[in-house]
Amino acid sequence: GEDVEQSLFLSVREGDSSVINCTYTDSSSTYLYWYKQEPGAGLQLLTYIFSNMDMKQDQRLTVLLNKKDKHLSLRIADTQTGDSAIYFCAEYNYGQNFVFGPGTRLSVLP
Amino acid sequence: NAGVTQTPKFRVLKTGQSMTLLCAQDMNHEYMYWYRQDPGMGLRLIHYSVGEGTTAKGEVPDGYNVSRLKKQNFLLGLESAAPSQTSVYFCASSPDGDEQFFGPGTRLTVL
Repeated sequence: GEDVEQSLFLSVREGDSSVINCTYTDSSSTYLYWYKQEPGAGLQLLTYIFSNMDMKQDQRLTVLLNKKDKHLSLRIADTQTGDSAIYFCAEYNYGQNFVFGPGTRLSVLP
Repeated sequence: NAGVTQTPKFRVLKTGQSMTLLCAQDMNHEYMYWYRQDPGMGLRLIHYSVGEGTTAKGEVPDGYNVSRLKKQNFLLGLESAAPSQTSVYFCASSPDGDEQFFGPGTRLTVL
């Protein structure tokens, strides 16, 4: 079945850029998502990208999609302590269910 | 607009007890989902519903039952709780399947 993989941990210094990576197996995915989960809370949608795009920028967030390699990344510019959270990559195809990755815990060091 | 709400927020059960988790949404969404979140495993889909009166199995349905008698509510039941069901449970809803809105979660411990 479909699988989504992410590294489990990432640490960066405040003010640096963070890059969180994700790989997926379903080449027919229509949408790819990034969700953010803060401690004790549910998941909040950060951004998403259609599978026919290769880049999307939204303020400090940049999403890059390499369909050939089935690789998705989320870059957070000027990372702040408020960005500390778990970030989930997810894929979706029409008529099917979401498949989530295990989440990457981002720690922002002062 | 409360969005997606879940009750209760926390619960401790003994092995063999039963309970029902309630999810409610006020966005008139057709689709609703129940997930469990375990460390290092992301979210796994338990059951879902594509409309009032419908339910379907997800990836890990064993030991759980669901009902969607009203469009705004999606209930998750554990008939005989087991320690393996200790987890954080998230409900989500979606207007048409391609964007999900999550509730705050229910932390369940089974002793």
